[in-house]
Amino acid sequence: GQNIDQPTEMTATEGAIVQINCTYQTSGFNGLFWYQQHAGEAPTFLSYNVLDGLEEKGRFSSFLSRSKGYSYLLLKELQMKDSASYLCAPETGANNLFFGTGTRLTVIP
Amino acid sequence: DSGVTQTPKHLITATGQRVTLRCSPRSGDLSVYWYQQSLDQGLQFLIHYYNGEERAKGNILERFSAQQFPDLHSELNLSSLELGDSALYFCASSGRQGATEKLFFGSGTQLSVL
Repeated sequence: GQNIDQPTEMTATEGAIVQINCTYQTSGFNGLFWYQQHAGEAPTFLSYNVLDGLEEKGRFSSFLSRSKGYSYLLLKELQMKDSASYLCAPETGANNLFFGTGTRLTVIP
Repeated sequence: DSGVTQTPKHLITATGQRVTLRCSPRSGDLSVYWYQQSLDQGLQFLIHYYNGEERAKGNILERFSAQQFPDLHSELNLSSLELGDSALYFCASSGRQGATEKLFFGSGTQLSVL
């Protein structure tokens, strides 16, 4: 089985930095995905971490600690369009992909 | 555009009925995943097919079934529908059997059971 834990909701101000945490317990682990989902739309891929450490991709960065079962998504220079749900999904190699319940981020002016 | 096509976009039906949702994966992708997302809920993994064969099952109800055809499109069949089955159903595709390759999601089918 597996357990994925993310905060349900977060609010941040336009232009600020926000960190969305994800902790997981899984049987087997290959890497971890982050997806973005705007309300009523399909999830879209943001990042995939395999190795420990921080990977930066523009305004978005993702961090992984395999030993701690912990990841975070860092969003810099927040824009209103970043208001969305952010989904964490540890990949276990078991031919399935379970997502956390997601963190709904609201960016305010 | 992800390249994954789902039809229909919206479906309204009554309790007790049966519906079929269709998914065409990206060209060349062999894997199809189905997910259910109820209002304000996370994505619930239902089932994964690879090249026509079932590879993994999640919390899929016995009233639900799926298959993947030789042309790689997939169908999700929902029967004896209940009000609680109202949800957004997504399919996603990837090239590989395992999920180490990112998934591309279709725009979903919004099912309303009245």
